This record gives sequence, C-alpha cells and structure tokens, in this order.
Amino acid sequence: GENVEQHPSTLSVQEGDSAVIKCTYSDSASNYFPWYKQELGKGPQLIIDIRSNVGEKKDQRIAVTLNKTAKHFSLHITETQPEDSAVYFCAEALNSNYQLIWGAGTKLIIKP
Amino acid sequence: EAGVAQSPRYKIIEKRQSVAFWCNPISGHATLYWYQQILGQGPKLLIQFQNNGVVDDSQLPKDRFSAERLKGVDSTLKIQPAKLEDSAVYLCASSAGGFETQYFGPGTRLLVL
Repeated sequence: GENVEQHPSTLSVQEGDSAVIKCTYSDSASNYFPWYKQELGKGPQLIIDIRSNVGEKKDQRIAVTLNKTAKHFSLHITETQPEDSAVYFCAEALNSNYQLIWGAGTKLIIKP
Repeated sequence: EAGVAQSPRYKIIEKRQSVAFWCNPISGHATLYWYQQILGQGPKLLIQFQNNGVVDDSQLPKDRFSAERLKGVDSTLKIQPAKLEDSAVYLCASSAGGFETQYFGPGTRLLVL
C-alpha cells in the first residue's frame, strides 16, 4: 500500500541557515508531491508542490527536488527566518484518486 | 476570498456522547474533505465528497461516524457515540478538484474524556 516516510521528526537550525526535510514513498505510480506548512492552531497550508515530470521547483527561499528513481523528494528552505518555525508535512498522490497520503511531519525550529 | 470555515473550534465531551462539526468550504469548490489529525501525526482522510456525492469513505468508522454534504456546499461530520481515541483535530478542506490545491480550515479540536 501507499506509505510516506518523513525525516527528521524535529529539525533545529540557526536563523539564516538552510533546512532540508526528506520524504520517501513506496508507490512508483505516485505523481504529485505537495508540501504543507502547519502553524500552531491552524490548518495546513500548501507552500510548494511538484509533479512527477519535473525534477526541481523553486519559489523564492523554498525549493523542492524529486528523484523518481530513488522514490524520494526533499524540501529545501534557505536563509531561514523565525516565521519559518512550524510543522512541515510532505504528501504524495496518485492520478487515480487525487487523494493525499501524508508523512508524519517535521517540527522545524529556527533558533535566533 | 473567504477561506474554509469550521465550527466549533473546540469541543470537550464525555465518552459515549455525541458531537457534530460543521464546515463551509470555499465558494465554488466541488471537492470537500474531512481529515482526522491525531497529535504528532499527519492528517488522515476520513471522507471525500465531490459535490454532494461521496467519492471515498473507506477510512470512516461507519459504526460511529457519519457525514453529509448539504446541497453540495456545507458539510457536517458527526460522531455518535464518541470514544476516547476520537480525541483529535478534525480538519475540513476544499479544492476545485483533481490536483488543485486543498485549502484547509482551522480545524475543530475535540477532547473526549
């Protein structure tokens, strides 16, 4: 069945440094990979996504890379800021049902 | 554009009681989702609606959970009777369909004592 593993569960970085969160998936037919940010007391919010026909996508300080051969994808945040502190979730989905399968989340802590 | 609205934001009940949650999706969004998020975990899909029809409810514990989407707009999720393990945040999301972005409401935090 479908499964997404996300690492690390907690990540603490110095403000201004980069943060990388990695996810692996099991279903080779997966073709949509979004990343969501969830702040305390709020619902998740999409920050970036990537389709299987693309290897990398960037949006200002945020980038996502996809390696379909190895079945893993990563979120990269550069020049981290205090407002980046949150829980980040990766997810995957298939064309067949568009349903998201979620990772367990990474708590990102930005140290001043 | 107004976001996804949910109410109540918090609810405390005793086990075996009933509870209902309400969701108003973004106007025009055909697809509506209910998720259960247990502390420290990612959201788990309970049920997906397309307009007022159910697309998938395979992970909905139907002996105690029910959901409906009135006229393809608002939706309610009910738990009857509640168990301790139902303590979680219940998230509602909506999208235009397919791989379009899912927009989430703030969630309802349920505590079952």
